[in-house]
Amino acid sequence: ETGVTQTPRHLVMGMTNKKSLKCEQHLGHNAMYWYKQSAKKPLELMFVYNFKEQTENNSVPSRFSPECPNSSHLFLHLHTLQPEDSALYLCASSQVSSALYEQYFGPGTRLTVT
Amino acid sequence: AQSVTQLDSQVPVFEEAPVELRCNYSSSVSVYLFWYVQYPNQGLQLLLKYLSGSTLVESINGFEAEFNKSQTSFHLRKPSVHISDTAEYFCAVSEMDSSYKLIFGSGTRLLVRP
Repeated sequence: ETGVTQTPRHLVMGMTNKKSLKCEQHLGHNAMYWYKQSAKKPLELMFVYNFKEQTENNSVPSRFSPECPNSSHLFLHLHTLQPEDSALYLCASSQVSSALYEQYFGPGTRLTVT
Repeated sequence: AQSVTQLDSQVPVFEEAPVELRCNYSSSVSVYLFWYVQYPNQGLQLLLKYLSGSTLVESINGFEAEFNKSQTSFHLRKPSVHISDTAEYFCAVSEMDSSYKLIFGSGTRLLVRP
């Protein structure tokens, strides 16, 4: 595997379910991100982990719970979601200490909440 | 606070015609600027970036963007588009003192017709 991978690619869940999204980066980066992409809206930064420490939480509802066990893996745990949470969830990684500044994105998980 | 505006939600253009996708930003400090492209069912890929130096930056597939500080713009141009350029294009900005954090515009869908 190369780059940033995300599983599953598609997920349908009911409002009472609990599920998790997984992201893995194979680039040796030290920062990972969760974004939410909804139709006709800008990408919304949800969480940032820098050296496994959460450094950003953009007022995300508690029904979204991130976990970063190491610098290569990032999870987003989901519970009691709402239909408006249906979106494409993108994971990204970057090397914070480098001069490159760019983020590398995974293909996303398309989430549908019924 | 930072913000990025992409006024055109969709730009239809014929193959081999020139195109310009507009991006304006607002920030009270110096910024880095990026254009990302998203093909269907894929994550975002970095197209080009401005960090410093020459205000005109180019990508390997013929796109270019020019940083205009006085107009706070970073428009993307290509002199002759191909069908394969059909995609969603996102402009993004990060502030130099928090370069890990990207703020995205709402995106412009480039639709290239034969």
